[in-house]
Amino acid sequence: EAGVVQSPRYKIIEKKQPVAFWCNPISGHNTLYWYLQNLGQGPELLIRYENEEAVDDSQLPKDRFSAERLKGVDSTLKIQPAELGDSAVYLCASSLDRDTDTQYFGPGTRLTVL
Amino acid sequence: DQQVKQNSPSLSVQEGRISILNCDYTNSMFDYFLWYKKYPAEGPTFLISISSIKDKNEDGRFTVFLNKSAKHLSLHIVPSQPGDSAVYFCAASAIDNQGGKLIFGQGTELSVKP
Repeated sequence: EAGVVQSPRYKIIEKKQPVAFWCNPISGHNTLYWYLQNLGQGPELLIRYENEEAVDDSQLPKDRFSAERLKGVDSTLKIQPAELGDSAVYLCASSLDRDTDTQYFGPGTRLTVL
Repeated sequence: DQQVKQNSPSLSVQEGRISILNCDYTNSMFDYFLWYKKYPAEGPTFLISISSIKDKNEDGRFTVFLNKSAKHLSLHIVPSQPGDSAVYFCAASAIDNQGGKLIFGQGTELSVKP
């Protein structure tokens, strides 16, 4: 069974530039999560989707971050414009449904903002 | 407010000995706890979990203990192997209140020496 796929794996951009991350969850997983992981910290939830609906986006900085999950399968997370402090690893995870706590993570996208 | 804390950023253990990783939490509503393992440049991988109705769960070399009164859980690895060297994150969730949202600790880096 294929795992969670993320791309790109690494991204280096100048500050104020836009950037987008893509995630394809495990087939059949209805719930998709985007996490932010800073160096030396655990992952922190940015947004959770149940199918196409964003059910928890309370931690998403909406002035510069946006996300979508069209058709309830793959998802895109965007930052525009990027700031120096956005340098981190962006992780995508999926689970069968909201009550299944076992979340399966992708390899992440390491973003460096210069 | 750090609801899940792993106070030891690192741990070094000799191969064949026991590794004990600790985790404390503050939110009494948490009812499900998980341990994830993370290798460099990879996403976290689910290792083992425990429900609040249990005080122990065992899977091969890995055992998780939960002490609800102390709001403390621990992961025991015995015997430890060099391949266990990784960062270990504990995570907690409160199904009824947060729909399975995971709160992660900061991680403990385990090094198993041959």
